[in-house]
Amino acid sequence: NAGVTQTPKFQVLKTGQSMTLQCAQDMNHEYMSWYRQDPGMGLRLIHYSVGAGITDQGEVPNGYNVSRSTTEDFPLRLLSAAPSQTSVYFCASKTSGGANEQFFGPGTRLTVL
Amino acid sequence: GQSLEQPSEVTAVEGAIVQINCTYQTSGFYGLSWYQQHDGGAPTFLSYNALDGLEETGRFSSFLSRSDSYGYLLLQELQMKDSASYFCALYNTDKLIFGTGTRLQVFP
Repeated sequence: NAGVTQTPKFQVLKTGQSMTLQCAQDMNHEYMSWYRQDPGMGLRLIHYSVGAGITDQGEVPNGYNVSRSTTEDFPLRLLSAAPSQTSVYFCASKTSGGANEQFFGPGTRLTVL
Repeated sequence: GQSLEQPSEVTAVEGAIVQINCTYQTSGFYGLSWYQQHDGGAPTFLSYNALDGLEETGRFSSFLSRSDSYGYLLLQELQMKDSASYFCALYNTDKLIFGTGTRLQVFP
């Protein structure tokens, strides 16, 4: 199993550009989520999904969109990038219920100029 | 809302025992998790307390007291590779909310 994969690993955008961060998991997990982590900070929840076709907002959803058309994929779209969105983005997945162990992808390091 | 507080940094020497505390404010939650993150890496799951008391996993133990709104992670027989950031996180209604993290530095 590849676990949780994210692409790209690094990305530089100009203010106002849009892009999609990709996330995929091959563990058949129902739950997927997106976090951002700013330097020296904890992780803040952006959006999450409890299953295909279902998404909901986290702590910091503004400026981001998500969709969940399949169990495996959970892309994160930046609509119009701003310097405040410079961060490391982590995707995670887990089974519903249980010990609540989330499996994280390796992260995407995004810089917005 | 929910908030979690952790000390920003803790230092210890190899072979020692260290405790990382986490105090929280919330109207309700299912459990408290702990994650480890090495510099430049992704968080990895360490433990989860759904009930009050101590959970032990090898050298790591985690404790939860709902009446005190408090938990801790106990690391025993510290090794250099334990140098990392440690995050507590509240699980509530499909959301996992993280604290700001504690950076542990282990010295030889």
